[in-house]
Amino acid sequence: AQSVTQPDIHITVSEGASLELRCNYSYGATPYLFWYVQSPGQGLQLLLKYFSGDTLVQGIKGFEAEFKRSQSSFNLRKPSVHWSDAAEYFCAVGATDSNYQLIWGAGTKLIIKP
Amino acid sequence: DGGITQSPKYLFRKEGQNVTLSCEQNLNHDAMYWYRQDPGQGLRLIYYSQIVNDFQKGDIAEGYSVSREKKESFPLTVTSAQKNPTAFYLCASSSDRLLTDTQYFGPGTRLTVL
Repeated sequence: AQSVTQPDIHITVSEGASLELRCNYSYGATPYLFWYVQSPGQGLQLLLKYFSGDTLVQGIKGFEAEFKRSQSSFNLRKPSVHWSDAAEYFCAVGATDSNYQLIWGAGTKLIIKP
Repeated sequence: DGGITQSPKYLFRKEGQNVTLSCEQNLNHDAMYWYRQDPGQGLRLIYYSQIVNDFQKGDIAEGYSVSREKKESFPLTVTSAQKNPTAFYLCASSSDRLLTDTQYFGPGTRLTVL
């Protein structure tokens, strides 16, 4: 069965510092990969997604993610965080043999230090 | 503006009561979803619908029911059979149920059992 692991429950970074949020998945073939962001008490918004092709994917709000098949990872990065980036970030994996459902990670809460 | 609305934002239920959460979308999407979110966990799929008058159980459908009488509406009823209903409920929609279709989320309903 597919699974998604986000190893970090919380991450604290200083404003202006770089950010990397980790996501590892378990799936035999190339999965469909997503990163979503959730502001407190709100719904989720898609940041970026990967299906095929270039393994470095650009998203909204200056985020990017890199698919590394050999490491079964899809880490999210941003070169310089802003206070408005404080939120919870979710990685999700979809596969055609899982009835097209998305399997979600538990989320990583990003805290920004001024 | 196109989007997804959920109401109410907060809902309180007494033990033994059924309650219905509203979800409406004006994106002309065929597919709609209900997810449950608990602290420290990823989203879990309750029900989904690919088309009017058709819906399928997700991973945690027990104690919940849905209907899809109109394309734009997908209400969720939390019945008294749901043992632990206190959670944050998210409704989403996508143009189709392909993994390449982005899921758009509503702002959520927080249900508390008193």
